Amino acid sequence: ELKVEQNPLFLSMQEGKNYTIYCNYSTTSDRLYWYRQDPGKSLESLFVLLSNGAVKQEGRLMASLDTKARLSTLHITAAVHDLSATYFCAVDTRKTSYDKVIFGPGTSLSVIP
Amino acid sequence: DVKVTQSSRYLVKRTGEKVFLECVQDMDHENMFWYRQDPGLGLRLIYFSYDVKMKEKGDIPEGYSVSREKKERFSLILESASTNQTSMYLCASSRRSVYNEQFFGPGTRLTVL
Repeated sequence: ELKVEQNPLFLSMQEGKNYTIYCNYSTTSDRLYWYRQDPGKSLESLFVLLSNGAVKQEGRLMASLDTKARLSTLHITAAVHDLSATYFCAVDTRKTSYDKVIFGPGTSLSVIP
Repeated sequence: DVKVTQSSRYLVKRTGEKVFLECVQDMDHENMFWYRQDPGLGLRLIYFSYDVKMKEKGDIPEGYSVSREKKERFSLILESASTNQTSMYLCASSRRSVYNEQFFGPGTRLTVL
């Protein structure tokens, strides 16, 4: 069964610093997603990564995918308070013609001044 | 603009009541999903549907049923609500494509007394 892990689960960082969130998954997959969730709100799609070596950037966030290592990273550059949220990675199982997505436990990020 | 709506943001029901949660998407997506989200447990898939009148059990279907009579609407039914069904319920939809990206509704916070 596909398992998705994230590291760290909780992260407190100062504004202006850089940090990386890691997402590991247990079986082969070539579609990975990153979502953001603000407190009390729903999930917002950030990135879709489709192939080995894929890299996507939006503002201070950059996501990458290494399918051979079964690893995705979400890199935060020069963090600002607005980035405080919970970040989820999710992996597509590709088991059938309709695809089930497994979500990681989430990384709760707090950016402090 | 992509839109998934849910019938209620907050709902309070009594134990034993029958509860209907409605989800509507306007993107002509084939796939629709119901998740529940609980602190420390992440997102767990209850049911999903890949076509009208088709449904598949997710990871925690017990105590729930679903209905999809029209492509845009996916209903979650709690036949006899119990206190352990107090949770945040999230609906999502996705187009069957190379991306398979899920778009989420705002969520319904259900409290069962």
